[in-house]
Amino acid sequence: DAGVIQSPRHEVTEMGQEVTLRCKPISGHNSLFWYRQTMMRGLELLIYFNNNVPIDDSGMPEDRFSAKMPNASFSTLKIQPSEPRDSAVYFCASSLNRDRGGGYTFGSGTRLTVV
Amino acid sequence: AQTVTQSQPEMSVQEAETVTLSCTYDTSESDYYLFWYKQPPSRQMILVIRQEAYKQQNATENRFSVNFQKAAKSFSLKISDSQLGDAAMYFCAAYAGGTSYGKLTFGQGTILTVHP
Repeated sequence: DAGVIQSPRHEVTEMGQEVTLRCKPISGHNSLFWYRQTMMRGLELLIYFNNNVPIDDSGMPEDRFSAKMPNASFSTLKIQPSEPRDSAVYFCASSLNRDRGGGYTFGSGTRLTVV
Repeated sequence: AQTVTQSQPEMSVQEAETVTLSCTYDTSESDYYLFWYKQPPSRQMILVIRQEAYKQQNATENRFSVNFQKAAKSFSLKISDSQLGDAAMYFCAAYAGGTSYGKLTFGQGTILTVHP
């Protein structure tokens, strides 16, 4: 398996534009997580899905953020409109529930810069 | 809900020496798991070591070991014989949840510098 695949690796966009981050989890994994990493706040869990269903989106900062998982092999995180304070590295991770945290596989992250 | 706190933003160590990274946590769950993850400059998150809360014995993985103090809710990572390749950001994390679903909560991270 190629691991968790995120795209793009880097994204630079202008304030007000829509940004879509993409994630392909490991085949067979049933949980998917979106994290945001910044120097000030560290790694924050934004939202996670179990069997394609959103379980907890309490970490999504505001209505400008939305996430979908239309099937077991694909998820998106969308920011509309983007703001400079959204600049961060966004990670996607997937796991098998039975591995209880130790089985998380992270993607390489998307570094988002909003100017 | 759980919280994880790493009080050391930065640490440094000489090559071949030992360093300990601190972590405290809080959770209302009785069944939980604790982890240390390493993030080198490549950004990749790498699992270093895992501790099941129900186990009294401290986990060990080669040069990496933990000191798990359940009553004090403390979970420190000891790196022995430090190597240049150990330089990275280290995250302590807690997982609560059954086999249905759960989530990892991370601390703020500690940047470890290894001096030759």
